[in-house]
Amino acid sequence: GQQLNQSPQSMFIQEGEDVSMNCTSSSIFNTWLWYKQEPGEGPVLLIALYKAGELTSNGRLTAQFGITRKDSFLNISASIPSDVGIYFCAGQVGRAGTASKLTFGTGTRLQVTL
Amino acid sequence: DVKVTQSSRYLVKRTGEKVFLECVQDMDHENMFWYRQDPGLGLRLIYFSYDVKMKEKGDIPEGYSVSREKKERFSLILESASTNQTSMYLCASSLGASVYNEQFFGPGTRLTVL
Repeated sequence: GQQLNQSPQSMFIQEGEDVSMNCTSSSIFNTWLWYKQEPGEGPVLLIALYKAGELTSNGRLTAQFGITRKDSFLNISASIPSDVGIYFCAGQVGRAGTASKLTFGTGTRLQVTL
Repeated sequence: DVKVTQSSRYLVKRTGEKVFLECVQDMDHENMFWYRQDPGLGLRLIYFSYDVKMKEKGDIPEGYSVSREKKERFSLILESASTNQTSMYLCASSLGASVYNEQFFGPGTRLTVL
């Protein structure tokens, strides 16, 4: 099955810094999602994007659905220690039924130092 | 709050053993999913189910089977465990098959096959 390429693979940043990560695909997706996984837990949905070009914010997080439908970006502003975790992008081709299954990215591991 | 629970957080099994991983959700969700998570590969879909007694293969079904006898319970079965099945296994559920229905994840089962 297809996988999405995420970069960077890992990031070590200082508290207060801004963070950017992206996800690219060789094929088109009609929905892009961003999840965060904290240590010892399952992934939790942060932001969902349903339209090409869409820019959506959730607190300090902002995500964009690329115009080509083949990429997405996540930015975190003014990072804090609780931002630590693995961030996954996920894409969906269809709107419902079996076509709505998720394809996940390879993950970006974020570490925040004080 | 949606709760997805997995029967074990950690499991150690021997090569050739039959292994059952259990997942239960308490929100009357129609859909349930099994993923495996490996470093650098992200989450990959093994099997999913849209209804009781109904199952569909995901991207990496080889070596696995599933069972859904009741709506709230979805079991992943490793018929004859092998060392390459050592991984983190994540269960998820969603209300329906629409892309607008968020997938909620359990905490994961870390399986080691010796």
